[in-house]
Amino acid sequence: GAVVSQHPSWVICKSGTSVKIECRSLDFQATTMFWYRQFPKQSLMLMATSNEGSKATYEQGVEKDKFLINHASLTLSTLTVTSAHPEDSSFYICSARQDGGSPLHFGNGTRLTVT
Amino acid sequence: ILNVEQSPQSLHVQEGDSTNFTCSFPSSNFYALHWYRWETAKSPEALFVMTLNGDEKKKGRISATLNTKEGYSYLYIKGSQPEDSATYLCAFDNAGNMLTFGGGTRLMVKP
Repeated sequence: GAVVSQHPSWVICKSGTSVKIECRSLDFQATTMFWYRQFPKQSLMLMATSNEGSKATYEQGVEKDKFLINHASLTLSTLTVTSAHPEDSSFYICSARQDGGSPLHFGNGTRLTVT
Repeated sequence: ILNVEQSPQSLHVQEGDSTNFTCSFPSSNFYALHWYRWETAKSPEALFVMTLNGDEKKKGRISATLNTKEGYSYLYIKGSQPEDSATYLCAFDNAGNMLTFGGGTRLMVKP
C-alpha cells in the first residue's frame, strides 16, 4: 500500500529555533500534500494545502511566514516552523494523495515541543 | 467554511454490541466522502472513499452508507471488539484540493 514517511517523529527545541519537518510519499507521486495540526483533544485542523511546484494555499488564520511550506517535488513536501515559540508546540501531521478523489495517506506525525 | 459534523463526539459500547455514527456534510459540490480510522499513536488509516449516492461499502465488520442528496453518511460496526476502539473521522471531498474533516467520533469498546 501507499506509504507516507514523516520525519522527525518528535522534536524538542528552544524558543526562537526554526524546525523543518519532512513529508515524503515513498511509492507514489503525490500531486497534493496537506499539512495539519492537532490541538489536544481536538480533530485535525488543516493548515495548508500544497501542490507540487506552486505556492501553498493557507487556511484562514495560519501565518504563511510562520509556517513555510515547500513542495519541491512530487514526493516531498516540507513544513518549516520559523522562530518557534511554546504556543507552537503541537502535533503536526502531513498527508498526501495521488489525485482528486483518491484517499489520503498520512504520515505518522511529528510532535513538536518548544521550551 | 464547509460544515462537516460528526455525531456523537464519543461513544462507549460493550464488546459484541453493534454501533453506528453519523457524518453530515454539504449536499452541494460533492465529489467524495472519506472515512478514516485513527488509533492512538498511529496515523489515520483510510477505510472508505464513497462517491455515488446510495453507495454502500463494507470492510470486514465495518460498513458505510452514503446519501449525497441529504448530505449524510453512516458508519456501522457490527459486533464491536476492543481493537475497534479508535477515533473515526469523515472528510468531505469537493475535488478542489481540499478535504474538510469532521470533528471525529471517539469509540471506546469495553471488553
